Amino acid sequence: EAGVAQSPRYKIIEKRQSVAFWCNPISGHATLYWYQQILGQGPKLLIQFQNNGVVDDSQLPKDRFSAERLKGVDSTLKIQPAKLEDSAVYLCASSPLAGAEYEQFFGPGTRLTVL
Amino acid sequence: GENVGLHLPTLSVQEGDNSIINCAYSNSASDYFIWYKQESGKGPQFIIDIRSNMDKRQGQRVTVLLNKTVKHLSLQIAATQPGDSAVYFCAESTGGYQKVTFGIGTKLQVIP
Repeated sequence: EAGVAQSPRYKIIEKRQSVAFWCNPISGHATLYWYQQILGQGPKLLIQFQNNGVVDDSQLPKDRFSAERLKGVDSTLKIQPAKLEDSAVYLCASSPLAGAEYEQFFGPGTRLTVL
Repeated sequence: GENVGLHLPTLSVQEGDNSIINCAYSNSASDYFIWYKQESGKGPQFIIDIRSNMDKRQGQRVTVLLNKTVKHLSLQIAATQPGDSAVYFCAESTGGYQKVTFGIGTKLQVIP
């Protein structure tokens, strides 16, 4: 079974530039998550989708971050404009709607460096 | 690769010994507690979870203990192997939409 795919794996940008990350969840998984993991910390949930609807985006800095999940499959996370403090690993995870519902499968992440 | 263990509490264990990783949680309303393993350059990997109405659950070489009285969670790894070297995160889940909050990680170093 293919895992969660993310791209790019690494990205370096200057502050005030824009950046987008892509995630392809495990086939059939209805729930998709984006997390931000700052070096030395645990992942922090940014946004959670159930199919193509947003379930929780309470910790998403909406003035600069946006995310969408068109057709309930792939998802993109965008930052515009980026700040130095956005340097982190951005993790995408997915989980099935039923079954082992608390097991989230994580992708390898995208490491963002903002200079 | 990335050093996800930077500045984290570190536990060093001899290969073959048992490891115990501890975690304190804060939300009494959490209904699930989960342990994740994160190797350098990878995303977290689910290890085991436990419902809030249980106090012990066993998996393959791992046991999770939950003490709700003192809001304490522990992960025991039997016969620790070099491949167990990673950062371990406890997490708690609340509500019906699987909202997971990660705690502070612990870096496990296995000494061959």
